[in-house]
Amino acid sequence: SQQGEEDPQALSIQEGENATMNCSYKTSINNLQWYRQNSGRGLVHLILIRSNEREKHSGRLRVTLDTSKKSSSLLITASRAADTASYFCATSFGTYKYIFGTGTRLKVLA
Amino acid sequence: DTGVSQDPRHKITKRGQNVTFRCDPISEHNRLYWYRQTLGQGPEFLTYFQNEAQLEKSRLLSDRFSAERPKGSFSTLEIQRTEQGDSAMYLCASSLVGLRGQNSYEQYFGPGTRLTVT
Repeated sequence: SQQGEEDPQALSIQEGENATMNCSYKTSINNLQWYRQNSGRGLVHLILIRSNEREKHSGRLRVTLDTSKKSSSLLITASRAADTASYFCATSFGTYKYIFGTGTRLKVLA
Repeated sequence: DTGVSQDPRHKITKRGQNVTFRCDPISEHNRLYWYRQTLGQGPEFLTYFQNEAQLEKSRLLSDRFSAERPKGSFSTLEIQRTEQGDSAMYLCASSLVGLRGQNSYEQYFGPGTRLTVT
C-alpha cells in the first residue's frame, strides 16, 4: 500500500514558472525524500529532509516539512523543460524501509 | 562503478512460467531493495537486505515471490507460476547504511526489469 499521496496528480506549467507539489503521509516518519523519475534516467534522488527539519534547499529545489500536518511540499523554481518528469515522495519510519507516494506528473512547456 | 544494474531489462513470459531477475548494486553498498511499479503508481516496497540477510518482506508479497542475496553482493528475485497481475516494472535500489555512522539514506535505483506476462 502507498503511504504518501502527492497532490496534484498532474501539473502543467510554462517554462520559467514555479512548480509546487505536495505530499501527505499517514504515520510518523524519520525522514522524507523526494525522487524524480523520467523515462531517460529512471528514479533519481533529489533531496532528503529529516523529521526535525522544517525546510531545505538544493539548487532550484525547496522542500518543506510540517510534521504536525504530516505533509511536505516540493517547490521547483524557474522550471525548465528538462524538469518534465514524475515526482515522488518517499517516507521512512523506524527502519530503512521506504514507502513511496503515488506521484505528481509534471509537464513543463517550452 | 557505473551504478546499479539489472538484468534483463525486458522479459516476456507466458502465464505459469517462472522468471528470475538479477540486480547488481553499487559495490560498497550494503543495503539492497526490491520494488515493483505499475503504470501510474509509485514504487511499491517488496523486500530489502542488509548484506546477505533479508530483513523485511512485504505482506503483499505472495509465496510465489522469493529473493536472495547469497554473498551480500548481487541479488535475485524469482517469481514462480507467473500471473498476468505480475506484469510490472521491477526495480532494484541500493544504499550504504550503518558503517561508522556513514548513513546514506539516498537510494540509488537501477533501470528496472519490465515484466510482461501473457
